[in-house]
Amino acid sequence: DGGITQSPKYLFRKEGQNVTLSCEQNLNHDAMYWYRQDPGQGLRLIYYSQIVNDFQKGDIAEGYSVSREKKESFPLTVTSAQKNPTAFYLCASSTQAGNTIYFGEGSWLTVV
Amino acid sequence: KNEVEQSPQNLTAQEGEFITINCSYSVGISALHWLQQHPGGGIVSLFMLSSGKKKHGRLIATINIQEKHSSLHITASHPRDSAVYICAVSGSARQLTFGSGTQLTVLP
Repeated sequence: DGGITQSPKYLFRKEGQNVTLSCEQNLNHDAMYWYRQDPGQGLRLIYYSQIVNDFQKGDIAEGYSVSREKKESFPLTVTSAQKNPTAFYLCASSTQAGNTIYFGEGSWLTVV
Repeated sequence: KNEVEQSPQNLTAQEGEFITINCSYSVGISALHWLQQHPGGGIVSLFMLSSGKKKHGRLIATINIQEKHSSLHITASHPRDSAVYICAVSGSARQLTFGSGTQLTVLP
């Protein structure tokens, strides 16, 4: 079955460390997205990519970095520059037309 | 003012009740999505609408483009419908803007 796989589900990070969240899809979707969700708030766009080897900043890109070397993969690195990284992170993918969007199961990141 | 407003924020219903969740938006859109988020965090797309009405099982979604308003209805609600329901809109750039969600609890 096609879908999106995010890992890890739960991650603890020490202050000053970079961590990378994995997102893989086998839906043959061109577009992939990373969102952050905080309690009581809507999802906010961190980065998105419409095509391999290209990506764009979203609304809250500071302190994050991404790469899109393969169509199937869109990893997100939370760098030490992100001042408040504790949150729930969701990866999504869609066709170029955006007719249907699929989400991963999410990753909970906690800074300790 | 947020671009996408949902109401109510929290909703508790008895099993079998008819439920309505509302979404209003302030920008021009190409489509509106209704999403369901379960306690584990994963999100499932329920509907994508650009006009009119769609139905899937006990779920019905409507949109009024002129009034910039959409509703999600659940008929004969069941405890397994308990989840967060999220409205999201996509504009010309196809980026989604999300509402903050409606927490629905259906009691047996």
